[in-house]
Amino acid sequence: AQSVTQLGSHVSVSEGALVLLRCNYSSSVPPYLFWYVQYPNQGLQLLLKYTSAATLVKGINGFEAEFKKSETSFHLTKPSAHMSDAAEYFCAVSAGGNEKLTFGTGTRLTIIP
Amino acid sequence: DAGITQSPRHKVTETGTPVTLRCHQTENHRYMYWYRQDPGHGLRLIHYSYGVKDTDKGEVSDGYSVSRSKTEDFLLTLESATSSQTSVYFCALRRGGDITGNTIYFGEGSWLTVV
Repeated sequence: AQSVTQLGSHVSVSEGALVLLRCNYSSSVPPYLFWYVQYPNQGLQLLLKYTSAATLVKGINGFEAEFKKSETSFHLTKPSAHMSDAAEYFCAVSAGGNEKLTFGTGTRLTIIP
Repeated sequence: DAGITQSPRHKVTETGTPVTLRCHQTENHRYMYWYRQDPGHGLRLIHYSYGVKDTDKGEVSDGYSVSRSKTEDFLLTLESATSSQTSVYFCALRRGGDITGNTIYFGEGSWLTVV
């Protein structure tokens, strides 16, 4: 079984401030973990993924995430928020890289000018 | 660009009518998926396919059927549409074989409204 919990359905940060979006997972086998971003009226775009290599993963647009097995977490961060980061972000898990992705409920990020 | 085309992109239909959404890929990948997206639920898997004529159910498959008669096309059918099936539907495919692990890529979505 696999599941994902995203803490906070809405997060607001000021432009230039740190972005932190939280994701905790549950998986009966070593997980593959993903963050996707969705801009309004568009599909999902892959930001980054963890597949049991380095625990700190760097993605596109300055985002990164750290896999912490002891905390079953895969939080997404960006040091300095930009207006263009406003979007909805989804964390997802695939148990052992199996054929199915299970998504969290999403976090909508708002950037305050 | 994931090489996925969904059609139609927008549709309004009446309760009780059948609806078919089409997903077309250009890259010959084995795994294809249909998800629905609803506020507060994220994306939920409806059905997926692991080859021609090979399909399986996801977590919200009731009221939906799928078919895959050729590699490039994966069809989602609502046999008798209901208002609860008003949603955004995303097709996806899995690109595999690279050393960093399989990754799922999404189409642009099909907005379906059942009135």
